[in-house]
Amino acid sequence: DIVMTQSPDSLAVSLGERATINCKSSQSVLYSSNNKNYLVWYQQKPGQPPKLLIYWASTRESGVPDRFSASGSGTDFTLTISSLQAEDVAVYYCQQHYSTPPTFGQGTKVEIK
Amino acid sequence: QVQLVESGGGVVQPGGSLRLSCAASGFTFSSYGMHWVRQAPGKGLEWVAFIRYDGSNKYYADSVKGRFTISRDNSKNTLYLQMNSLRAEDTAVYYCAKDLYSSSPYYMDVWGKGTTVTVSS
Repeated sequence: DIVMTQSPDSLAVSLGERATINCKSSQSVLYSSNNKNYLVWYQQKPGQPPKLLIYWASTRESGVPDRFSASGSGTDFTLTISSLQAEDVAVYYCQQHYSTPPTFGQGTKVEIK
Repeated sequence: QVQLVESGGGVVQPGGSLRLSCAASGFTFSSYGMHWVRQAPGKGLEWVAFIRYDGSNKYYADSVKGRFTISRDNSKNTLYLQMNSLRAEDTAVYYCAKDLYSSSPYYMDVWGKGTTVTVSS
């Protein structure tokens, strides 16, 4: 199974400041035939189900604010919130779908400082 | 709008059984693969099972293989998870989720609100 490791486990950021979350996979999730990274990001707010934020490692889902961006390729990926808002308090998960079983990172909790 | 509504959760003794259901609406259910994903109290997300759009292929996490069975009834737009030989470590919120595509596990683009399963004596 591909192991997904996120860092940090939690971070506290002031309103309006940048938050950066890292995700590392134990093997590459870049599919060479189509040059796509099989990596997505979810946001889970307290008491709610996860919500898809980013797919193919860097494409925002419809309706996701443009303060959310993501990048990376192969084994190293980053989710950035450019200007943290109060409504962004949540746990963020990366997930690979390069191979079965799909696997999630352990989650990164984002709080307001 | 696209909606997934889980039901069937509850409290069950170790070794017992439970069947979860997930009613889908707002999309062509029979065209998409479907997942079950769980989340133990205070923990992260764990993928449980996937079923192909037509039910012909199923995939399971090692932690539930041989105990859980995923199935679907496309005529009723409903996904199921039959859980047998339940253990304390199966205690979790169980989410039903729609896959992006039809045949192999990709990612979950729509999630239900979840149903809670508690395994306790």
